[in-house]
Amino acid sequence: GAVVSQHPSWVICKSGTSVKIECRSLDFQATTMFWYRQFPKQSLMLMATSNEGSKATYEQGVEKDKFLINHASLTLSTLTVTSAHPEDSSFYICSAARTSGDEEQYFGPGTRLTVT
Amino acid sequence: AQSVTQPDIHITVSEGASLELRCNYSYGATPYLFWYVQSPGQGLQLLLKYFSGDTLVQGIKGFEAEFKRSQSSFNLRKPSVHWSDAAEYFCAVGAGTASKLTFGTGTRLQVTL
Repeated sequence: GAVVSQHPSWVICKSGTSVKIECRSLDFQATTMFWYRQFPKQSLMLMATSNEGSKATYEQGVEKDKFLINHASLTLSTLTVTSAHPEDSSFYICSAARTSGDEEQYFGPGTRLTVT
Repeated sequence: AQSVTQPDIHITVSEGASLELRCNYSYGATPYLFWYVQSPGQGLQLLLKYFSGDTLVQGIKGFEAEFKRSQSSFNLRKPSVHWSDAAEYFCAVGAGTASKLTFGTGTRLQVTL
């Protein structure tokens, strides 16, 4: 149990286009999901905290109009990178925190975004 | 502000040798401390966590970590490394098990046969 999936696992898009990344908790409900960004050979940096039914809370320095986060249900959060540029190329990882029980958070496998 | 420092970017050990990965943290309150492992193509997997109680914490895959408040450290250890342990290891700190986390820069472990 406690599986988090991300789709797609890898995406290439052209500069100026938008791309949506999905994060799903497959076998549990998650009130809170987190979105992280990982640059090559670097650490994970928190981008935003996503709570079901409310607006996401963005970390300082993260453009909320560029990285749109929607947490429409207890099992799905989406990250949309709008008007993507090559500098947005990165590895995006989500995690989902259980609503109840062990209150652990579980990480998805990540999505590799390449903007050409 | 909270921060995590992993001084070793890359460590190479021989299979069967012991391992210690260093982690130092800065946190204003009582921290939750975590060690995660990241293998290529896979998500982060929790190895162990600490909040309170016994300062020596046992985790999965034979890993353990020791919390030392006086040194603000939470070092990860394993007595005998297996080739399958080769991966990226991240130390993290947060306010709870389901809270946002601050990660260190990671330590890449290479295991030689």
